[in-house]
Amino acid sequence: EVQLVESGGGLVQPGGSLRLSCAASGFTFSRYHMNWVRQAPGKGLEWVAYISGNSGMTYYADSVKGRVTISRNNAQNSLFLQMNNVRDEDTAQYYCARDRTIFGVISIDAWGLGTPVTVSS
Amino acid sequence: NFMLAQPRSVSESPGKTVTISCTRSSGSIVSSYVQWYQQRPGSSPTTLIYENFQRPSGVPDRFSGSIDTSSNSASLTISGLRTEDEADYYCQSYDSYIHGVFGGGTKLTVL
Repeated sequence: EVQLVESGGGLVQPGGSLRLSCAASGFTFSRYHMNWVRQAPGKGLEWVAYISGNSGMTYYADSVKGRVTISRNNAQNSLFLQMNNVRDEDTAQYYCARDRTIFGVISIDAWGLGTPVTVSS
Repeated sequence: NFMLAQPRSVSESPGKTVTISCTRSSGSIVSSYVQWYQQRPGSSPTTLIYENFQRPSGVPDRFSGSIDTSSNSASLTISGLRTEDEADYYCQSYDSYIHGVFGGGTKLTVL
């Protein structure tokens, strides 16, 4: 069974940093491209970032580019999102999401339960 | 970049059929695949349709996806509506720079 378990969310002050993690199990992690998707309270889904299976390629939404870094450790079946210089508008539930295997086609086939990030002073 | 426009809400009675549209603002709707996700209250999203009209295993055939090039839109059709179909539905695609794009979401009420 595919499982994606996020952690690392919490309360952070504006301008602060946070590192989100996602532990993957039930599939060969290195073979799958991965995404982070977020959802602000009461709002819709927003794609945040994408990383290829071998970490060679990363892509970011304009709203976070330059402030977040997506990375992965295939040996530890883990996905990460380093968030720096956070803003109020980064407050959201952050989902780890597995992509289908076609590179360049963002098509999510599995979602985690999410981890909440609240930016507030 | 382009946007995907969805109606904010739709409603229909149990047993009926409802269609949710997703209109692409620029560029052809067929230039990238469209996916559909269901999100029930308090839960994570789940995938209903991928690559325009493909259903993952386990998704009932009451859910179907289609593309209409004349309106540059994708649609999700749910037939035989059930109360458990009451949820938010999101379409999603991506651009040539590998940026994901979600529609704003449609709240389905099954009266």
